[in-house]
Amino acid sequence: QLQLQESGSGLVKPAQTLSLTCAVSGGSISRGGFSWNWIRQPPGKGLEWIGNIDHDGGTSYSPSLGSRVTISLDKLRNQFSLKLNSVTATDTAVYFCARSSYFYSSRPYGQYWYFDLWGRGALVTVSS
Amino acid sequence: DIQMTQSPPSLSASVGDRVTITCRASQSIGNYLNWYQQTPGKAPKLLLYSASRLQSGVPSTFSGSGSETDFTLTINSLQLEDFATYFCQQSYGTPYTFGQGTKVEMK
Repeated sequence: QLQLQESGSGLVKPAQTLSLTCAVSGGSISRGGFSWNWIRQPPGKGLEWIGNIDHDGGTSYSPSLGSRVTISLDKLRNQFSLKLNSVTATDTAVYFCARSSYFYSSRPYGQYWYFDLWGRGALVTVSS
Repeated sequence: DIQMTQSPPSLSASVGDRVTITCRASQSIGNYLNWYQQTPGKAPKLLLYSASRLQSGVPSTFSGSGSETDFTLTINSLQLEDFATYFCQQSYGTPYTFGQGTKVEMK
């Protein structure tokens, strides 16, 4: 059974870089047909998609975070990582890694993506 | 970005009740709509995808309907473990966006 586990620094100073890693166990991150995502949730608030990476290393990021975000893949270690630069207090949140899978339908035609497996989440606090 | 608006923000219900949560998209998204359940301190759990398809292992008391801009999540015969916060999410295009959540509380 595939599992995801976040790790990284729980406290980051303003203007520094937030770094998190998501270790994937029970399956290969190199297998096609999935994307690997980062999603965050500020305390007491809703969910925000940060971005994702596919098995070939192709990435997609939320424009709201702009060039501050980098997601990378480490196939040897079967993990993927998040770096968020120039953090401020508004970046304080629980950060989840999640796998997205898709359902293919011919009627109506489309690939319907969804987040089907999640890590437990890692709280990152931005404070001096 | 596609804005997702859920209503109500919260509701009170009793075990055995039927509960309905709505989600509206700011533009047409076809059936590209997913529903998640989140309990305090836990990660969200996928309930339904493609608006109405039940994820494996999810009780059939959960159902979804709708298309284009208006969607509904229905919980038939609410159970104790169903008291949680529910989020809709569109996968029509990136950035993927979520509704603000609906908290189902015990009356």
